[in-house]
Amino acid sequence: SQTIHQWPATLVQPVGSPLSLECTVEGTSNPNLYWYRQAAGRGLQLLFYSIGIGQISSEVPQNLSASRPQDRQFILSSKKLLLSDSGFYLCAWSSPAGGPLMFDEQFFGPGTRLTVL
Amino acid sequence: AQSVTQLGSHVSVSEGALVLLRCNYSSSVPPYLFWYVQYPNQGLQLLLKYTTGATLVKGINGFEAEFKKSETSFHLTKPSAHMSDAAEYFCAVSHPSSWGKLQFGAGTQVVVTP
Repeated sequence: SQTIHQWPATLVQPVGSPLSLECTVEGTSNPNLYWYRQAAGRGLQLLFYSIGIGQISSEVPQNLSASRPQDRQFILSSKKLLLSDSGFYLCAWSSPAGGPLMFDEQFFGPGTRLTVL
Repeated sequence: AQSVTQLGSHVSVSEGALVLLRCNYSSSVPPYLFWYVQYPNQGLQLLLKYTTGATLVKGINGFEAEFKKSETSFHLTKPSAHMSDAAEYFCAVSHPSSWGKLQFGAGTQVVVTP
């Protein structure tokens, strides 16, 4: 069966510090991968998605970047955090394009709570 | 472009009463539709989905939803609320040209009162 992991679960960082959040998926190959942010009292905002290694699409301009160094690893980074980067970050995966479940549901990780002070 | 509107950011229901969460979408082509639930400080869990076929779909925990193309709606219902249904619920839409990306509604927070 497939599982998705995120770490750390919680993180408190000062303004201006760097950030690295990691997401890994097990039990599937070549998944589509997604990073979302959920700010307090707001819905889910898609930040980045990836259909393959090294292929990253950004949905909104921001202080963050994403990388996919391995097939089932997705990393969210920042060089200098802003207060507005605080939120709940969710990673998700879905079946790859061309597969029998393409465009089907996304499976979400447990999330990382980031507080920037 | 597609969009999702969830009517009511907060809904309060009595235990045992009907739960009705409204979702309307706009899409130029028939979409895939989803309802997710999120418990505090957790990820999202799929409740149910509509892709093709029967327009009334049943999901986990006694929830169901009906796709109504003429009304561009996908409302979520449960006949009898349970205390454990207290959570935030998100409606989402995708379609083939979006490469699996989901467009989420703003969410509806459900409170269940004894």
